[in-house]
Amino acid sequence: KNEVEQSPQNLTAQEGEFITINCSYSVGISALHWLQQHPGGGIVSLFMLSSGKKKHGRLIATINIQEKHSSLHITASHPRDSAVYICAVRGAQKLVFGQGTRLTINP
Amino acid sequence: DGGITQSPKYLFRKEGQNVTLSCEQNLNHDAMYWYRQDPGQGLRLIYYSQIVNDFQKGDIAEGYSVSREKKESFPLTVTSAQKNPTAFYLCASSIVWGSHNQPQHFGDGTRLSIL
Repeated sequence: KNEVEQSPQNLTAQEGEFITINCSYSVGISALHWLQQHPGGGIVSLFMLSSGKKKHGRLIATINIQEKHSSLHITASHPRDSAVYICAVRGAQKLVFGQGTRLTINP
Repeated sequence: DGGITQSPKYLFRKEGQNVTLSCEQNLNHDAMYWYRQDPGQGLRLIYYSQIVNDFQKGDIAEGYSVSREKKESFPLTVTSAQKNPTAFYLCASSIVWGSHNQPQHFGDGTRLSIL
């Protein structure tokens, strides 16, 4: 079993829908990252959080340390949100990555 | 603007050849990393460097080599010993190794294919 599991692996939705991507992990962590990988392959960091909730524009990330679970939400989704979203957890210094969730938003 | 530059974006290699992937950063970061990404799998750490002239093996270092002669540069060589080199390679950097409070910055990646 992977240390970091994301669900779903693939998600297709219509423009405007509310999107939720989940991340569960099995190791103790000091921080959790949400990353966005564009179709060309480049990765940008969206959030880094260790407790509670963070919001940036239409993106919201939450984490529940006791349940070892995090969610990434996108409100009013748009085709430009189409990308692979990656959860990564920081354990003993290094990052451990989930396999990613491929999100496609259709107009 | 500061960032990480990986080159080339696409690279083709014949079997038995070594090939070097370039990674340059102008963020003044001490730590640099190389990851490999395969379809359906999470990124896996190949090598990392905490400081100039020092580097450590990651989880899948076999068949790879690196150098860190300058702070801003961390080239990765895929040797002929790497049996399955076709993958997407990502370089990253951070202010310090293992920092709990700082994110990693990523390059745009190099896609390596075997002819």
